[in-house]
Amino acid sequence: RKEVEQDPGPFNVPEGATVAFNCTYSNSASQSFFWYRQDCRKEPKLLMSVYSSGNEDGRFTAQLNRASQYISLLIRDSKLSDSATYLCVVNPPGSYQLTFGKGTKLSVIP
Amino acid sequence: GAGVSQTPSNKVTEKGKYVELRCDPISGHTALYWYRQSLGQGPEFLIYFQGTGAADDSGLPNDRFFAVRPEGSVSTLKIQRTERGDSAVYLCASSLTQGRDTQYFGPGTRLTVL
Repeated sequence: RKEVEQDPGPFNVPEGATVAFNCTYSNSASQSFFWYRQDCRKEPKLLMSVYSSGNEDGRFTAQLNRASQYISLLIRDSKLSDSATYLCVVNPPGSYQLTFGKGTKLSVIP
Repeated sequence: GAGVSQTPSNKVTEKGKYVELRCDPISGHTALYWYRQSLGQGPEFLIYFQGTGAADDSGLPNDRFFAVRPEGSVSTLKIQRTERGDSAVYLCASSLTQGRDTQYFGPGTRLTVL
């Protein structure tokens, strides 16, 4: 089983739609969780950290379910500029390296 | 302020050649990381430096890969006897300290081995 698994998509959604991505991780002792965004041929950039209590940043909401070992990202009122690949990222226990999923590609269509 | 910079942005080389990839971290960041991203994949960890020392090199695929950070700032990733399978984008990231600080990525070096 891969350490971090994501549906690669692509997700093609109209502007204004709500879209949700899920991700599962294999190591139950993992400590930190993130969503990174990567535009085509660009570097990954931190979108948001994911906390056990859930957290929201504008149109973006991230949630963590430790019991089921999955992480979600919800994007409301999608904008054209949200088109990118969204990478689910986990910090394994006892390590400072980041473990990335393959990413989920989102295309927001006018 | 200036972000992480990497040079060159693109490198084309022939199989068997030696290459060096450079990373300039954000000023004042003590932790530096190298990752490799193949087409259609997420970045994969290679090595992590805290200061001048390699704190974790468990991701280096074999002994053809080596990285240094002699003065605790700039780092160089060195690949000997390159193979076609080494073709990828090599990403460098830095964070303020080790631990859970945000890792900021550079634009990467796209390496193509012919």
